[in-house]
This record gives sequence, structure tokens and C-alpha cells, in this order.
Amino acid sequence: GIQVEQSPPDLILQEGANSTLRCNFSDSVNNLQWFHQNPWGQLINLFYIPSGTKQNGRLSATTVATERYSLLYISSSQTTDSGVYFCAVGFQGGSEKLVFGKGTKLTVNP
Amino acid sequence: KAGVTQTPRYLIKTRGQQVTLSCSPISGHRSVSWYQQTPGQGLQFLFEYFSETQRNKGNFPGRFSGRQFSNSRSEMNVSTLELGDSALYLCASSLQAVNEQFFGPGTRLTVL
Repeated sequence: GIQVEQSPPDLILQEGANSTLRCNFSDSVNNLQWFHQNPWGQLINLFYIPSGTKQNGRLSATTVATERYSLLYISSSQTTDSGVYFCAVGFQGGSEKLVFGKGTKLTVNP
Repeated sequence: KAGVTQTPRYLIKTRGQQVTLSCSPISGHRSVSWYQQTPGQGLQFLFEYFSETQRNKGNFPGRFSGRQFSNSRSEMNVSTLELGDSALYLCASSLQAVNEQFFGPGTRLTVL
């Protein structure tokens, strides 16, 4: 069946370190989004990136659709980056339904 | 532009009751989707509406239903609540088919 797998499940960093989060998916996609869930539960949009590379400040993302993976890079991490990062994928033929991975819980220590 | 809004933000109900949650999408967005988040199952798709029509439905029992109004606002209803329905319910809106989705703050439902 359709699967979205995120790794690592947990990541602990010191402030200032860089990190890479990975999302593997099992089928062709027409939508891929990265979210950061804040402590109150809201999903904050980071990137809409079904293919290619985008950058926004200290964050960047790359999706290689032909190889069915996406990467989220966080550079010079800050304590405010802590939280859960989700990859969500919309599969071709799946309408607007997003399938979420289980998330990567990031903890950045001062 | 105002974001997606959801009401109420918190709700406590008892088993057997029913509940209605509301979602107002971003102005101009016509697609509204609902998701349930629990610690055990993660984020799961409930259903999606576009122009007052349900276009896609997830694998949830018939106790979960929804509708969309002509102004694109959407409601979801859960009847005969069970303890396992305790969850964060998130609503998302997008412009049209296969577009970036934007989420509201969620409604946290507790069933006692």
C-alpha cells in the first residue's frame, strides 16, 4: 500500500548544529509538503515541494521524485526549531488526500 | 489574508454524545479537508470537500460525517462518541485540486 516513511524518528542536536531529515515515499506523487508542528498542535507550512529544491532562510528542501525521496535540511539549528517535522504526500490518483509520515521529533538543546 | 480558522478550539464530551466542529477556509479556497491526529495512529485523512461535494473519504466509520456550505465553510460531525475519538482534529484548505494545503489550529476533542 501507499507508504510514507520518515527518518530518523528522533533527533537531538546542540544549538548551531546542522541536520537532515529524510522522507521516503512508495509511489508517484503530485504533492509533497513539509510541516513543523508547533507545541499547540498547529501544522506550520515549511515547503510545498513535489519536485526540485527550495530554500527559505536556514531551511532548505529537495525532492527527487524519480527516486521517491525528499530531504529537509536545517542549518545552524536554534532551540525554537524544536518540535515535530512531518512530511506529507499526495499521490497521483489520490485526489487532495495527504498521507503523512510518522514525523521526526527534533530537540535542539542550548 | 486570514488563515484557516477552526472552532471550538477545545471540547470535552462524554461517551454517546455527538459533536460538531467547524472550519472556515482561507478566503478564495474551495477545497476543505479534515484530518484526525492521535498518538497511536498519527495523522489520518477523514474526508475532503470541494464545491459542497465530498470528493474523497478516508477509512473511518459512518459516525464521522461532514458537509460544506456554499461559502466553502465546512463542518464535521461525530455521532455516538467513543473514548477512541479523543484526538486533535485538523482542517486544511487549498485553492483547488492538487495544491498546497494550509492547516488551521485544530480542535482538541476529549471524550470522557
